[in-house]
Amino acid sequence: RKEVEQDPGPFNVPEGATVAFNCTYSNSASQSFFWYRQDCRKEPKLLMSVYSSGNEDGRFTAQLNRASQYISLLIRDSKLSDSATYLCVVAVYADGLTFGKGTHLIIQP
Amino acid sequence: GAGVSQSPSNKVTEKGKDVELRCDPISGHTALYWYRQSLGQGLEFLIYFQGNSAPDKSGLPSDRFSAERTGGSVSTLTIQRTQQEDSAVYLCASSSRTSGRSGANVLTFGAGSRLTVL
Repeated sequence: RKEVEQDPGPFNVPEGATVAFNCTYSNSASQSFFWYRQDCRKEPKLLMSVYSSGNEDGRFTAQLNRASQYISLLIRDSKLSDSATYLCVVAVYADGLTFGKGTHLIIQP
Repeated sequence: GAGVSQSPSNKVTEKGKDVELRCDPISGHTALYWYRQSLGQGLEFLIYFQGNSAPDKSGLPSDRFSAERTGGSVSTLTIQRTQQEDSAVYLCASSSRTSGRSGANVLTFGAGSRLTVL
């Protein structure tokens, strides 16, 4: 399985701030991209898919840069509840998902 | 069921013993995955099932690990002669396969089975 790399952090961010982090992938044949969120000692849960044109879901914006082979996640007006580990997921084919090791985000009051 | 169910939630065993971990996927989900997550680490892919067959077993770390799925539903991950390095959370996920190469599947995870090998 091809590598997916993320900055492990932690990113310490004050509540209300905007934070962004990237994920790079090595396989140019990758076709599908996702961000998952994992809370401490919990299972990962889908946060959002990442589409080629970029997409937004409330305070969250995901973007894909195929030329440079990275995806990004931007969180606006961060909340304490956004504290979690964010996992980048890349798929070369329908069933072959590779998870990054995650970026740890801490929102501080 | 409403979600992916895994059992046991916690298992403590002695080195050298065999363990079985069970996953009951969401009803109707044809794809089932096993991942392993060690403390503070990312998810390590183990094996993937489509129906009862396993097209990708590339992640199984050794021949002590095996998995099967019956009736296109429940899956069992078996670890023989457990070692201390097998200690981890074993996560199962399922998805409904909607297409081939046009789009990957969204996974729904179970809460995991935490294995501790003494």
